[in-house]
Amino acid sequence: GENVEQHPSTLSVQEGDSAVIKCTYSDSASNYFPWYKQELGKRPQLIIDIRSNVGEKKDQRIAVTLNKTAKHFSLHITETQPEDSAVYFCAAPSGYSTLTFGKGTMLLVSP
Amino acid sequence: SQTIHQWPATLVQPVGSPLSLECTVEGTSNPNLYWYRQAAGRGLQLLFYSVGIGQISSEVPQNLSASRPQDRQFILSSKKLLLSDSGFYLCAWSGSPGNTEAFFGQGTRLTVV
Repeated sequence: GENVEQHPSTLSVQEGDSAVIKCTYSDSASNYFPWYKQELGKRPQLIIDIRSNVGEKKDQRIAVTLNKTAKHFSLHITETQPEDSAVYFCAAPSGYSTLTFGKGTMLLVSP
Repeated sequence: SQTIHQWPATLVQPVGSPLSLECTVEGTSNPNLYWYRQAAGRGLQLLFYSVGIGQISSEVPQNLSASRPQDRQFILSSKKLLLSDSGFYLCAWSGSPGNTEAFFGQGTRLTVV
C-alpha cells in the first residue's frame, strides 16, 4: 500500500510570511494528490489538488508542486493570515479504493 | 448537489455499551463510502471502506464493525465500547475510488467514559 510522510508536524509563522508543507509518497503509480484543511473541531475540506500530468497548480495564495521523479509534493501558502491557522493533510491514492493521508501539519499564524 | 449527513455530532457512552453511528449521502448514486477515526486532533486513520451495498473492507482489526444496508447509507457499530474507542469519527464519500476528492461529514465526537 501507499506510505505518505508529511513534514513538519507543526509550523509557526508570522502573518504575511510564507508557509511550506512537504509530503513524500511511496507508490510511483499514484496520480492524484489532494490537500485538506481542517479547522479545530471541524471536518477536513479540500483546498487544492494536483494530478500527475502537471507539475504545479495555483489558486490565489495557495499552490501545490509535484515532483514525480522524487515522489514528493508540497503545499505553499503565501501572505499567510491568521485564518490560515489549521491542520493541513496531504494524501495519495492507496490501491484502487482509498486515499492514504499524511499525519498532518498544524500551522499557526501569529498576527 | 451532493451532501453528506452524519450523526450524532457528539456522544458520551459508558464502557461496555453499544455504538451506532450513521452516515447518509444525498445527490449521488453508488458512492464510495469511508469511516475514519481521528485521535488527539491529528492523523486520519481509515477504519472501513465500501464500494457497494454489502461490500465492506476493514483496514484495521478492532472493536468496531461497519455495514452498508443501502446504497447511500453507511453505519459504524460496536457491541461493547472500550475507553480506547474515544475519538473523532468521520464519514466520507467519493465518486471515484482513490483518485478524486473525498467529502467528509461533520464528524462525531465520541467520548467513552
